[in-house]
Amino acid sequence: QQPVQSPQAVILREGEDAVINCSSSKALYSVHWYRQKHGEAPVFLMILLKGGEQKGHEKISASFNEKKQQSSLYLTASQLSYSGTYFCGTEIRGNNRLAFGKGNQVVVIP
Amino acid sequence: NAGVTQTPKFQVLKTGQSMTLQCAQDMNHNSMYWYRQDPGMGLRLIYYSASEGTTDKGEVPNGYNVSRLNKREFSLRLESAAPSQTSVYFCASSSPSRQEQYFGPGTRLTVT
Repeated sequence: QQPVQSPQAVILREGEDAVINCSSSKALYSVHWYRQKHGEAPVFLMILLKGGEQKGHEKISASFNEKKQQSSLYLTASQLSYSGTYFCGTEIRGNNRLAFGKGNQVVVIP
Repeated sequence: NAGVTQTPKFQVLKTGQSMTLQCAQDMNHNSMYWYRQDPGMGLRLIYYSASEGTTDKGEVPNGYNVSRLNKREFSLRLESAAPSQTSVYFCASSSPSRQEQYFGPGTRLTVT
């Protein structure tokens, strides 16, 4: 039930773009994205409901392909503040009970 | 607004000891959650409470009990701590209308 996130780690220079992915073997009701910085709590970024919508948060956007049960997070013109571990949480039944993936570690260097 | 608060921030227990982790939220949220986070494992749901008076098991409930004392408070109890329960524990809350989960600062627990 735990979604699979890839790649495990990404290193990019300031200003570069990156895509990180989250896939599930089950039909999804929604996908949540959270970011966690070292030693801190996860912080909500965005939620995508089934219907293939796209959302954005600053220069971070995401898509949800419900046919493939996949979501992708797009980091555009990355900033140093984007460094952290990104977790996707997948919801199956619409009860806001999430299964989280193992995370994508993103490191942005100057 | 304090958001979600957790106590204690750090705790060291000996195997077999018991303790209760406290969580409170002041956002009038219906749902509350307890997660554990281990290196490389992501967040795993221990128990959740959809509303006051209800609790349900998550992915890894063995060795834990919970109490939803009222709408604000949701506690997690370890009756007989084991080294495998060494972890960082996060409490979270959410509302049906907004759906995003708000996390507390976490409790770092070490069982020796």
